[in-house]
Amino acid sequence: SQTIHQWPATLVQPVGSPLSLECTVEGTSNPNLYWYRQAAGRGLQLLFYSVGIGQISSEVPQNLSASRPQDRQFILSSKKLLLSDSGFYLCAWSGSGAEKLFFGSGTQLSVL
Amino acid sequence: GNSVTQMEGPVTLSEEAFLTINCTYTATGYPSLFWYVQYPGEGLQLLLKATKADDKGSNKGFEATYRKETTSFHLEKGSVQVSDSAVYFCALRIGGATNKLIFGTGTLLAVQP
Repeated sequence: SQTIHQWPATLVQPVGSPLSLECTVEGTSNPNLYWYRQAAGRGLQLLFYSVGIGQISSEVPQNLSASRPQDRQFILSSKKLLLSDSGFYLCAWSGSGAEKLFFGSGTQLSVL
Repeated sequence: GNSVTQMEGPVTLSEEAFLTINCTYTATGYPSLFWYVQYPGEGLQLLLKATKADDKGSNKGFEATYRKETTSFHLEKGSVQVSDSAVYFCALRIGGATNKLIFGTGTLLAVQP
């Protein structure tokens, strides 16, 4: 069966520090991968999606970047965190053409 | 543009009460519509979906009907339980291979015994 792992579960970082959140998927090949952010009082915002290794599409301009070094690995990064980067980050995957997304358990990021 | 609007929460109900969470959408073309649920401390999971007008999605006693004429996809359940307490997200899917979902802001449901 397919599983998705996301870590860490919680993270507290000072403003200006770097960020690296990792997401891996097991039990499937060539998944579409997604990073969403859930800010307090707001809906889920799609940040990045990837349909293949090295292929990253950015949905909104921001202080973050994403990379896909391997087929089932998706990394969310920042060189210098801002206060506004605080939020709940969710990784998700889907099969190509499938309508169902499978979400990880999320990372609560607090930038202080 | 494409967007989803859902009723603000929190919605507080007593056990066995009837639930309605409103969701309306704006979209070009004919989107698929979804309800996702997020239980405390967990990621989102698909609750139900409908892919064309007049389809009814149902799961775990929840149901929602795709109403093209009113551009709505309201979530209903006849008798809620404490275990239904969660955040519910309405979403639409833009067509194409990337399977991008646009989510609403989420509605917190709190069911009291």
